[in-house]
Amino acid sequence: GEDVEQSLFLSVREGDSSVINCTYTDSSSTYLYWYKQEPGAGLQLLTYIFSNMDMKQDQRLTVLLNKKDKHLSLRIADTQTGDSAIYFCAESNSSASKIIFGSGTRLSIRP
Amino acid sequence: GAVVSQHPSRVICKSGTSVKIECRSLDFQATTMFWYRQFPKQSLMLMATSNEGSKATYEQGVEKDKFLINHASLTLSTLTVTSAHPEDSSFYICSARLAGGFSSTDTQYFGPGTRLTVL
Repeated sequence: GEDVEQSLFLSVREGDSSVINCTYTDSSSTYLYWYKQEPGAGLQLLTYIFSNMDMKQDQRLTVLLNKKDKHLSLRIADTQTGDSAIYFCAESNSSASKIIFGSGTRLSIRP
Repeated sequence: GAVVSQHPSRVICKSGTSVKIECRSLDFQATTMFWYRQFPKQSLMLMATSNEGSKATYEQGVEKDKFLINHASLTLSTLTVTSAHPEDSSFYICSARLAGGFSSTDTQYFGPGTRLTVL
């Protein structure tokens, strides 16, 4: 079945780049997402990538997709304290179908 | 952008009572709404898919008689947790999908969540 996996924790120094990795199993995944969840809040869609793309950049965020290896990463440049949150990788095989979420990576920023 | 609200944001109830959570799409019509449950420090688990005017589709292992879902209009879906017990305590998040065909992937907009605590 569908499965999305990511590491649970990441700690980076303020100002450095953060790289959060994710793997998925569904080869029919068409849409791959990164969501951000701050404490006690809902989910905010940060960015997404279509499966026919290799890379997408949006300001400080860069998404890389290796479709062959079913590997997705999110790079946050110049990480700030406000980036502290849980980041969920997710996939769906159409815009209308359900979204499968990973377990989330808790990003903490150290001074 | 599209906004989804949930009400209440937080509820504490006694064991055995029923609790209703509302999910509203504020500035768009949603033919489909999704209900998720999130345990502490865990991912979101899809509970059910709610289509306006029809019965909800529940994921495997989710009791439809315990988690009643009603999607009576294009802007409102409700989740009622019946005879709540402490193990039902969780963070419930809804999302709404924009109606009418839409090419963007960002077709699911998430609500802010409702934290349910059952004593």
